[in-house]
Amino acid sequence: GQQVMQIPQYQHVQEGEDFTTYCNSSTTLSNIQWYKQRPGGHPVFLIQLVKSGEVKKQKRLTFQFGEAKKNSSLHITATQTTDVGTYFCAGRTYSGAGSYQLTFGKGTKLSVIP
Amino acid sequence: DAGVTQSPTHLIKTRGQQVTLRCSPKSGHDTVSWYQQALGQGPQFIFQYYEEEERQRGNFPDRFSGHQFPNYSSELNVNALLLGDSALYLCASSPGTSGSETQYFGPGTRLLVL
Repeated sequence: GQQVMQIPQYQHVQEGEDFTTYCNSSTTLSNIQWYKQRPGGHPVFLIQLVKSGEVKKQKRLTFQFGEAKKNSSLHITATQTTDVGTYFCAGRTYSGAGSYQLTFGKGTKLSVIP
Repeated sequence: DAGVTQSPTHLIKTRGQQVTLRCSPKSGHDTVSWYQQALGQGPQFIFQYYEEEERQRGNFPDRFSGHQFPNYSSELNVNALLLGDSALYLCASSPGTSGSETQYFGPGTRLLVL
């Protein structure tokens, strides 16, 4: 079945440093979504990338979708303590009969040291 | 406008018992997906309901079943509970199954099987 690998599993950064998490799929994706989950919370949708090579920015967050639509990255510039949480990528593939399936990576847990 | 709601928030069961979890989708959403999130893992897709039918299913045994009602709310049933079923169960709703819609997650139900 389709697999989505995400690295690193954990990342500890000093406040103000940059952070990047990478996502790789075993198959070509229809689109990829990114979610943030705070400790004790539920995943919250951040963004969706659809086009090959697409780059989107949200303030200090930059999201990229690879040319082959099999990998993606999330980069945070100058981390803040409010960025703490686990970041998940989720790749969407067509599973037939007009249905799409979303497969999550295991996430990257970000800790920010003040 | 209420978001996705789930009940109960927490649940403790013993092995072999059966459990029913409930989800009300966000207003205007007709598609409900269920996910299992084990501790330290990403959400794993269980199944999706649309028009009161199971449209697609992840790699979960038949002990996991569901239902969608005419008002789009949904239930997840798990029979013959195992210790490994302990997890956060997330419900996500979306407006349709086109493959490009955003999913909104509920707060989840934390199930502990003793």
